[in-house]
Amino acid sequence: NAGVTQTPKFQVLKTGQSMTLQCAQDMNHNSMYWYRQDPGMGLRLIYYSASEGTTDKGEVPNGYNVSRLNKREFSLRLESAAPSQTSVYFCASTWGRYYEQYFGPGTRLTVT
Amino acid sequence: DAKTTQPNSMESNEEEPVHLPCNHSTISGTDYIHWYRQLPSQGPEYVIHGLTSNVNNRMASLAIAEDRKSSTLILHRATLRDAAVYYCILRNAGGTSYGKLTFGQGTILTVHP
Repeated sequence: NAGVTQTPKFQVLKTGQSMTLQCAQDMNHNSMYWYRQDPGMGLRLIYYSASEGTTDKGEVPNGYNVSRLNKREFSLRLESAAPSQTSVYFCASTWGRYYEQYFGPGTRLTVT
Repeated sequence: DAKTTQPNSMESNEEEPVHLPCNHSTISGTDYIHWYRQLPSQGPEYVIHGLTSNVNNRMASLAIAEDRKSSTLILHRATLRDAAVYYCILRNAGGTSYGKLTFGQGTILTVHP
């Protein structure tokens, strides 16, 4: 099993450009999450999807949208990138609220 | 969310035990204590979790104080691969948080050969 995969691994955007970060898991998990990690900081939750067909905002949702495409895939979209969105983005999945989360390797995004 | 307090950094020598402390004086009865670690340039990795009793798994042990206001993650024999940032996280089993993890700054563990 690949676990949680994320694409791309690295991305550089100019201010105002848009892009979609992709995340997929092959563990048949119900819940998926997007976090961001700024340098020297812990992770902060952007959005989560408790189950297929549902999404909810986390701590820092402004400037982002998400889509739970199916049970396996959860994408994060930046409609108009800003330098403040320069960060490392992690996707995670889990069976449900009581279980441990499995994280992907991250996408390093730089917005200039 | 209840808050946790961890030392910014700790050091250990290889093959020695490591005790990583965490204070959580405002913990509620439905908060589980979770530990994750993050190796350099990787995503976080689950280590262990517990509610009231001490817990052991293949990676580590978790010792929870009787009043649950503090806990200690124990790595029995540190290796160089254990060098990472260790996060102590309180995870509420109920409410609307839906299992979200709230990461603090964590403890940077350095392991010396």
